[in-house]
Amino acid sequence: DAMVIQNPRYQVTQFGKPVTLSCSQTLNHNVMYWYQQKSSQAPKLLFHYYDKDFNNEADTPDNFQSRRPNTSFCFLDIRSPGLGDAAMYLCATSYGTGPYGYTFGSGTRLTVV
Amino acid sequence: ILNVEQSPQSLHVQEGDSTNFTCSFPSSNFYALHWYRWETAKSPEALFVMTLNGDEKKKGRISATLNTKEGYSYLYIKGSQPEDSATYLCALDRGNEKLTFGTGTRLTIIP
Repeated sequence: DAMVIQNPRYQVTQFGKPVTLSCSQTLNHNVMYWYQQKSSQAPKLLFHYYDKDFNNEADTPDNFQSRRPNTSFCFLDIRSPGLGDAAMYLCATSYGTGPYGYTFGSGTRLTVV
Repeated sequence: ILNVEQSPQSLHVQEGDSTNFTCSFPSSNFYALHWYRWETAKSPEALFVMTLNGDEKKKGRISATLNTKEGYSYLYIKGSQPEDSATYLCALDRGNEKLTFGTGTRLTIIP
């Protein structure tokens, strides 16, 4: 089945130690998104790629970066994780402009110790 | 309303009962309203994408209505079952490739 896969499911990292979360898709969707969700809060968009075009949200900290080497893969890099970066990170894909729903991965739960 | 708001935050419903909850959103620059169901340990799953004022969509026992003029959408579940237990998220689409989500309504069905 076509899907969005996130690895790992759970990630524990040390304070200040760089960490990378990965997302892959078999849907051939144009757009890939990274959302951060903290407990009891709304998922918050960090950035998205439309094909190779990178779109950063104005309030996304510089500590967060992303790479999309090809259509299928997208990575979230956290350069120096702080305790406040502990959250669920959701990857999603869509066709782009138009009333299309997102297809989500199952998320990566990041713990910072 | 400046943000997407959902109410109630959580809800416990007896199995077999019907229920509904609300999503409120700013009506300016409206393009579409999305509903997702997110079960624990799974991926959020798309339920509906609604674009027209007065639109009503149905999927089995779940239905949704949309009022774009006043900025709200209702999600209804008829005859709740244990498998309906999940967080229900709504999201505003302004036609700019990205969604703004609400905080969700966490629904628990009591057997």
